[in-house]
Amino acid sequence: QVTLRESGPALVKPTQTLTLTCTFSGFSLSTSGMCVSWIRQPPGKALEWLALIDWDDDKYYSTSLKTRLTISKDTSKNQVVLTMTNMDPVDTATYYCARKGPTGTFDYWGQGTLVTVSS
Amino acid sequence: AIRMTQSPSSFSASTGDRVTITCRASQGISSYLAWYQQKPGKAPKLLIYAASTLQSGVPSRFSGSGSGTDFTLTISCLQSEDFATYYCQQYYSYLYTFGQGTKLEIK
Repeated sequence: QVTLRESGPALVKPTQTLTLTCTFSGFSLSTSGMCVSWIRQPPGKALEWLALIDWDDDKYYSTSLKTRLTISKDTSKNQVVLTMTNMDPVDTATYYCARKGPTGTFDYWGQGTLVTVSS
Repeated sequence: AIRMTQSPSSFSASTGDRVTITCRASQGISSYLAWYQQKPGKAPKLLIYAASTLQSGVPSRFSGSGSGTDFTLTISCLQSEDFATYYCQQYYSYLYTFGQGTKLEIK
């Protein structure tokens, strides 16, 4: 059974760095073709893809946010970490991690974690 | 980045109706198109991938079609649990992009 769970702070201050962890089970990120992605959703708005890391440690980032994002993995812990620097109130959103598997797209999602950026 | 445009943004329908949602890509994406359903406070759920392949466990009243730039999601006979927001998403380019969503409400 595939599961993913996001963890991290619920509140960050403007200009701070956000660090989110995705802990997953039911698959291995060392298996060829497996990837984990981060996607966010501001309240009442649409989904926005942020970053992806694959089994070969290749990393891909949203063009508009790539200077602020870093994605990494710890295969032994079954975790993927996303850092986002220089947080702003417009970054307030629910942040999801999701698996990209054999379907080629995001077939399993975590429940999401709401991050509020406010002083 | 490839822009995904859904229509309509919202509409009302009744249980038992047949409904169609459209999604247009700003450039050709072959069949690298997925549809998701999202209910309030929940994560999106994958319904269809490769434009027309039903994800395991998804009811057969959901279907998808299209290729290139124009795609549709059809729900053949609306059930109460289908009232939700639907998103299309392209994965032709690794710069994955989603549509703005279509909110399906009860009439």
